[in-house]
Parts: sequence; C-alpha cells; structure tokens
Amino acid sequence: EDQVTQSPEALRLQEGESSSLNCSYTVSGLRGLFWYRQDPGKGPEFLFTLYSAGEEKEKERLKATLTKKESFLHITAPKPEDSATYLCAVGGAETSGSRLTFGEGTQLTVNP
Amino acid sequence: NAGVMQNPRHLVRRRGQEARLRCSPMKGHSHVYWYRQLPEEGLKFMVYLQKENIIDESGMPKERFSAEFPKEGPSILRIQQVVRGDSAAYFCASSPPNPTDTQYFGPGTRLTVL
Repeated sequence: EDQVTQSPEALRLQEGESSSLNCSYTVSGLRGLFWYRQDPGKGPEFLFTLYSAGEEKEKERLKATLTKKESFLHITAPKPEDSATYLCAVGGAETSGSRLTFGEGTQLTVNP
Repeated sequence: NAGVMQNPRHLVRRRGQEARLRCSPMKGHSHVYWYRQLPEEGLKFMVYLQKENIIDESGMPKERFSAEFPKEGPSILRIQQVVRGDSAAYFCASSPPNPTDTQYFGPGTRLTVL
C-alpha cells in the first residue's frame, strides 16, 4: 500500500525566513510525485511533478527535489501570500490508472 | 482553457436525502477522479473513471455511493440516503490519457448533511 507522510504538520515563518517541507513516501514503483498548494475553501492547485530521484523543479520562490525515499519543498524568502497548506501525493505503478495517495499536508503561515 | 468545473459549490441535504455532485473535466481530458476530504483529514481517493467506464472504485464506500461518466455530459457522484458522516468536501480531478500526467483539481463541492 502506498503511503505518504508529511512534516511538519504546521510551520510558522517570518517573511523572508527560508525553510523546507518534507514528504516521505513508500510506493511500489513510483510513477510520479506531486506537490499541490491548497488555500482554505479551495481545491488543490498544481505546483510540481517529479518523476525520478535527483530531479529538481523550481517556480518563483519554490523548489522541489526528489530522492528515492523523500521529497523536499524548499521555500526561499517566503512572503505572506505563500501561506497555504502544501500537499504531497504519489502515484504508484501498482495502482490502476493514476490515482494519487496524499499526505495530510503541511500548513504554512508566513507572518509579515 | 477552462479548468475543472464542479457544481454545486455548496450543497445542504437532510439525512436520508440524495446528493448529486457534478464534474466537468478540463477540455481534452478523458480521465476523471473523485476524492473526498473529511474535516481535519487528507484527501482520499474514491473512484477513477473514463468515458462510460469505471476503472477503479476501490476507494468508494460499498453502499450508497455511485459514480458515472457518461458519453455526453459531466461526471456524476451520487450519494443516496446521506448521513451526517458524509459531510465533507468532494473534489474532482481530471487528467489527459497518459497515466503519468498531472491531475488538475476543481474547486470542490462542500456537502453539509443536517
């Protein structure tokens, strides 16, 4: 069974204070690891897809990295508008189609 | 290019009534997925459909829940005889045919059962 664990559950940062969010996973054959952002009352918004260990992707202040056991979402010099819940999900080779298994998320608050 | 559309955005039902949730995938997407997010919990997979086919319903409760994606029109998630424990946010996602492709989510339907 695919499993995803995210840490920390909640993170408070000051504006400009860089940090990282962790996503540990177990999966039988990784088809893809996905990062989403979710604002209160809204649907998950796609950020990144990573397919293989060593891969990195960047978008503005966010950078996602992938190893064989975990992924990190690095946030550089965050701003208050980066406050949201960040979700990690995996698609496993043994699951039919491409259904995703999600972690419970990291709730990020960036104070001005 | 319109995103995934879901309606209604909010739905209130009394215990024992039926709830119908609709999802229109992004243009060009032929795969639809339904997920449920209970209060203070993560997103949980329910069902994966292609046009006129249910591919994987391993996450669907055995009773009262059903889903369809007809040849024409939106995908429908149907909950019969709702109970208070069905209160949750229901999200639909769509993807193009490649199974490694990203899923894009709609805004969700928030179901409240009184």
